[in-house]
Amino acid sequence: GQSLEQPSEVTAVEGAIVQMNCTYQTSGFYGLSWYQQHDGGAPTFLSYNALDGLEETGRFSSFLSRSDSYGYLLLQELQMKDSASYFCAVYTNAGKSTFGDGTTLTVKP
Amino acid sequence: GAVVSQHPSRVICKSGTSVKIECRSLDFQATTMFWYRQFPKQSLMLMATSNEGSKATYEQGVEKDKFLINHASLTLSTLTVTSAHPEDSSFYICSAIGLAGPRGTQYFGPGTRLTVL
Repeated sequence: GQSLEQPSEVTAVEGAIVQMNCTYQTSGFYGLSWYQQHDGGAPTFLSYNALDGLEETGRFSSFLSRSDSYGYLLLQELQMKDSASYFCAVYTNAGKSTFGDGTTLTVKP
Repeated sequence: GAVVSQHPSRVICKSGTSVKIECRSLDFQATTMFWYRQFPKQSLMLMATSNEGSKATYEQGVEKDKFLINHASLTLSTLTVTSAHPEDSSFYICSAIGLAGPRGTQYFGPGTRLTVL
């Protein structure tokens, strides 16, 4: 089966940079995705890494190291609206994703 | 692009009744749709994988006779919670994978909050 580990909570201040880590154990790995979910809402897609390295999309960057079974999501210039839960998910050759338990990010002024 | 809708967004029903939730991909054809449930402050738990024209594949521990899934077309999948009980109260979310976009990218519907009295 698959298992993922994420820190449960992270707190940072507005304007800062925060990194949220994800380690995973899986077979048939295809890629690692990141999703953002605000309270009461559905998850929204942020990024997907299939290859090692850093992918940047605006203030968000995602990194993957397949040899270390590790990835992270980096948020820069934090804003209050970034307060949310962030889930990593592994996509495998079974054609489905397994989600981590998520990291709750709290951004303080 | 890649918009997924769900209907209804919120439903309250009496114990013992059945509830149908629709999931539609509005601007793309979904080769695969997924159904998740999420309890407060918890992660998304995959219930089943649905492919158009074939039977859904259920995850271990999910009762297929209780959670009926129909994927009638490339843009519509339905989840019917039969004989609902209070413990079925949860946030049900569908997602879809299209032919375009990076592999593994899922587009989520807005979710349906089910409350069984």
